[in-house]
Amino acid sequence: GQQLNQSPQSMFIQEGEDVSMNCTSSSIFNTWLWYKQDPGEGPVLLIALYKAGELTSNGRLTAQFGITRKDSFLNISASIPSDVGIYFCAGQFPGAGNMLTFGGGTRLMVKP
Amino acid sequence: DAGITQSPRHKVTETGTPVTLRCHQTENHRYMYWYRQDPGHGLRLIHYSYGVKDTDKGEVSDGYSVSRSKTEDFLLTLESATSSQTSVYFCAIRDLGTYEQYFGPGTRLTVT
Repeated sequence: GQQLNQSPQSMFIQEGEDVSMNCTSSSIFNTWLWYKQDPGEGPVLLIALYKAGELTSNGRLTAQFGITRKDSFLNISASIPSDVGIYFCAGQFPGAGNMLTFGGGTRLMVKP
Repeated sequence: DAGITQSPRHKVTETGTPVTLRCHQTENHRYMYWYRQDPGHGLRLIHYSYGVKDTDKGEVSDGYSVSRSKTEDFLLTLESATSSQTSVYFCAIRDLGTYEQYFGPGTRLTVT
């Protein structure tokens, strides 16, 4: 099936820093979704993107649907401790019908 | 928050026993999904439903069956649980006309 490569796999953040992560694929996608998962809970939808080039914000989070339709980026500005968790990208591949493809996740941790 | 509940939230069972997990929604969404989440594998689709009595397989459906007799309930059954089915199971729902999926809180299943 289609694969989404999400990077980085993990990163440490210090409060106040900006954070960037991305998802790439060799195939085009129609829709990109970004989720956050806290320990012991289900993923929560943060941002949905539907058009190539689309830039959407949700508070301190900003996500973009890449022009080539093969990638998407999520930025977090001025990180705070509660940003810690796992962030997943997900995409809807043309022809995949009712199914999403998920990236492997980016784990955000706090610098000691 | 999407109105999705999963039961039980935690279960320990023995190899060879049948297990049924329940997903209940109050949103009247058409689509419902069952995923499993394991370290190193991310979220993998087991089965999904596109209407009452309408279901289809995902990428890891072997050993699992599902049923949907009412819009609000989607059941996942392990006919004879194996240790490889120890995992965290998530239900998700989606409305018609969008690809956005909303997840439940998860069920942690341990097969001993």
